[in-house]
Amino acid sequence: DQQVKQNSPSLSVQEGRISILNCDYTNSMFDYFLWYKKYPAEGPTFLISISSIKDKNEDGRFTVFLNKSAKHLSLHIVPSQPGDSAVYFCAAATGNQFYFGTGTSLTVIP
Amino acid sequence: DTGVSQDPRHKITKRGQNVTFRCDPISEHNRLYWYRQTLGQGPEFLTYFQNEAQLEKSRLLSDRFSAERPKGSFSTLEIQRTEQGDSAMYLCASSTTLGPYEQYFGPGTRLTVT
Repeated sequence: DQQVKQNSPSLSVQEGRISILNCDYTNSMFDYFLWYKKYPAEGPTFLISISSIKDKNEDGRFTVFLNKSAKHLSLHIVPSQPGDSAVYFCAAATGNQFYFGTGTSLTVIP
Repeated sequence: DTGVSQDPRHKITKRGQNVTFRCDPISEHNRLYWYRQTLGQGPEFLTYFQNEAQLEKSRLLSDRFSAERPKGSFSTLEIQRTEQGDSAMYLCASSTTLGPYEQYFGPGTRLTVT
C-alpha cells in the first residue's frame, strides 16, 4: 500500500521559471515531511523539511507547502536552474519509519 | 567528514548465495537506517538502529535478512539464500537524535542476483 504518492513521474521547466513538484499522502499520523533530491549513481540528498504543525517552510529558492486537510505536500523551486535537474522524492515520517514516494524527475531546460 | 559510505558499491551473486553489505555512517550519528530501492520506486524502509540497538524492522525484512550494528558504529546487512527478487539498490542512511528526520544517505550497494 503506497502511503506516499508522487503522481507525476516527470516534469520539464524552463530555466528561471518556477518548478512545482507535488506529493500526496494517505496516513494522517505522519508528523514530518521531507524532500530529497537524487542524482544518478548517488544516494538521495536531504533538501528541505516541514513539521506537521506548520504549513510552509522556506530555504532559499526552495519552499515546501503542507496542506494537511488535503493531505498534500508541494515543493516550489524558484527560479529553477539547470543544476536542479534530478529526481525528487518526497517522504513522510511517523515515529522512526519513513515512507518515500516514487519520485519525480525534474528537467530544467536552459 | 566524508559522509556515509557503503561497501561494496556493486555486487553480483548467484541465486542461493549469501551476501553481506557494510555501511559506515557519519561518525557522530547515532541513528542508522537501511532501505531498499527497486527500479521506479522510492526507498523502502527496512530497519533502524539507535546506537547498537535495532529498534524497528519492516515487514519487508524477511527471515533471510539480518542486520547488525555491533558497536554502534558501522552496520552490516546480510541476505542469506539470495533470490532474484532481492535484486535492488540497498541504501544506508544516518542521522542524529537531535535531527532524526534529516537523514544522510550513502551511495548505495547495487545487488544483482542471477
